[in-house]
Amino acid sequence: AQSVTQLDSQVPVFEEAPVELRCNYSSSVSVYLFWYVQYPNQGLQLLLKYLSGSTLVKGINGFEAEFNKSQTSFHLRKPSVHISDTAEYFCAVSDQGQAGTALIFGKGTTLSVSS
Amino acid sequence: DGGITQSPKYLFRKEGQNVTLSCEQNLNHDAMYWYRQDPGQGLRLIYYSQIVNDFQKGDIAEGYSVSREKKESFPLTVTSAQKNPTAFYLCASSITGQSGGYTFGSGTRLTVV
Repeated sequence: AQSVTQLDSQVPVFEEAPVELRCNYSSSVSVYLFWYVQYPNQGLQLLLKYLSGSTLVKGINGFEAEFNKSQTSFHLRKPSVHISDTAEYFCAVSDQGQAGTALIFGKGTTLSVSS
Repeated sequence: DGGITQSPKYLFRKEGQNVTLSCEQNLNHDAMYWYRQDPGQGLRLIYYSQIVNDFQKGDIAEGYSVSREKKESFPLTVTSAQKNPTAFYLCASSITGQSGGYTFGSGTRLTVV
């Protein structure tokens, strides 16, 4: 069965510093990978996705992620964070070959940006 | 604008009462999903539906029920059998095949007193 592990439950960082949010997945088949962001009391918004092709994926708000098949990882990065990036971030995975299944989400990482 | 609407945003119910959460989408998506979110536990799948009049149980379906009579609508009923119903509930939709990712509603916060 697929699973997603977000290695850090909380990441505090100062404004304008770089950040990396780590995500590892387990799956025996080819996967689609996603990062979502959630602001307080709101739904989730898609940041970026990996479907195939280039392993470096760029998303909205200056975020990017790199797919590493050998390490089964999909870490999210931003070179310089803003106060407004404070939110919860979720990594998710789905099996490419099974259209009838749902996304599996990690437990989330809370990013706290302070000045 | 196309989107997915959940209502109400906040819901209070007495213990032992059934309650229905609404989810409507106008994105022409075939698939719809219900997730429950609790602090520190991420999103857990309750039910999902790939087509009208068909749905599948997720990881935590006990105490919940759904229907999918129309493509646009996927209401969730939280029954009195659900032992700990207080949570944030998220509805989502997608094209079939997962490659597009999900579009989420803004959620319903259910509090049972």
